[in-house]
Amino acid sequence: NAGVTQTPKFQVLKTGQSMTLQCAQDMNHEYMSWYRQDPGMGLRLIHYSVGAGITDQGEVPNGYNVSRSTTEDFPLRLLSAAPSQTSVYFCASSYSRTGSTSGGFYEQYFGPGTRLTVT
Amino acid sequence: AQKVTQAQTEISVVEKEDVTLDCVYETRDTTYYLFWYKQPPSGELVFLIRRNSFDEQNEISGRYSWNFQKSTSSFNFTITASQVVDSAVYFCALSEGGGADGLTFGKGTHLIIQP
Repeated sequence: NAGVTQTPKFQVLKTGQSMTLQCAQDMNHEYMSWYRQDPGMGLRLIHYSVGAGITDQGEVPNGYNVSRSTTEDFPLRLLSAAPSQTSVYFCASSYSRTGSTSGGFYEQYFGPGTRLTVT
Repeated sequence: AQKVTQAQTEISVVEKEDVTLDCVYETRDTTYYLFWYKQPPSGELVFLIRRNSFDEQNEISGRYSWNFQKSTSSFNFTITASQVVDSAVYFCALSEGGGADGLTFGKGTHLIIQP
């Protein structure tokens, strides 16, 4: 298993540009999520998904869009990049405890991260 | 709302010393999960342990041990006989209920092990 993969590893954008951060997992995990990590702030949840076709907002969703058309992929779209979105972005996945999404999820496994700079 | 506090921003010890990283959490749920993750200088996040709110047994894994005390809402992490490879940022995190709302992370403790 490749686990959770993220592309690209590094990206520089100009203010106002849009782009998509890719995230894929090959573990058939129902749950996927996106976090951003800023210096001294820990990680904060942006969006999450409990299964294909289902997404919801986390703590800091503004400026980001997500969709989940397959179990494997969970791309994060920046609609109009701003310098405040300079951060390291982590994608994570997890599996359910009981085999259904209502049973809760185990620990999250993280991808290697994407370092984004917006100038 | 849930909250995780890691009051120690940075700790520096000499190799072979024991070191304890503190984690205090706040939650209104009776069912919750606590985690520790390690982030080495290479940047990836490595899962270390998960503990649920109904299991207050301490856990030991090699040189690592965890002390969970509901009475003080703490989930502290001790490294015995520290090594240079233990140098990293360590995050404590909390997941309420089923965990679908994601993890709430503390701000992390930067641990420096000097040779």
